Amino acid sequence: KNEVEQSPQNLTAQEGEFITINCSYSVGISALHWLQQHPGGGIVSLFMLSSGKKKHGRLIATINIQEKHSSLHITASHPRDSAVYICAVRVQGAQKLVFGQGTRLTINP
Amino acid sequence: DTGVSQNPRHKITKRGQNVTFRCDPISEHNRLYWYRQTLGQGPEFLTYFQNEAQLEKSRLLSDRFSAERPKGSFSTLEIQRTEQGDSAMYLCASSLEGGLAVVYEQYFGPGTRLTVT
Repeated sequence: KNEVEQSPQNLTAQEGEFITINCSYSVGISALHWLQQHPGGGIVSLFMLSSGKKKHGRLIATINIQEKHSSLHITASHPRDSAVYICAVRVQGAQKLVFGQGTRLTINP
Repeated sequence: DTGVSQNPRHKITKRGQNVTFRCDPISEHNRLYWYRQTLGQGPEFLTYFQNEAQLEKSRLLSDRFSAERPKGSFSTLEIQRTEQGDSAMYLCASSLEGGLAVVYEQYFGPGTRLTVT
């Protein structure tokens, strides 16, 4: 079993819909990252969080440390949000990131 | 552009050839990471450097792979005797660590896509 699991693997929605992507992990962590990857490969960091909730524009990330679970929400989704969203954790005491397999999001106009 | 840069962006090579990739981190960043990403999967850790010292290597990094960061600035990743299974996106990231924060942001480069034919 992977240390970081994301669901769903693929998500297709209509423009304007509220989107939720989930991430569960099985190890103790010092931080969790949400990343966005567009076709062509470049990765952009959206959020880094270790507790609570963060908001940036239409994006909201939450984390529940006790339940080892995080969610990424997108409000009023737009076709330009179409990308792969990746959850990654920094394991306590380690330096590297451990990544989920990604969620491919497609927003249709 | 002051972000992480990687060269080349794409490399096509024949099986058995050697290839070398370069990563230039954000200039004051002391940590540099290499990751590999195969199609449809999330990235996997390969190795990381603190300044010029290579501090951790994944078991994924076979003896055909070698990474260096000779002056603590840019890094190179060399793959010898390439195999078709080496086809992947090779990602570099950097961070500035050692201050008061517990965890530091990693900034990713655009990646080098390797195709071994």
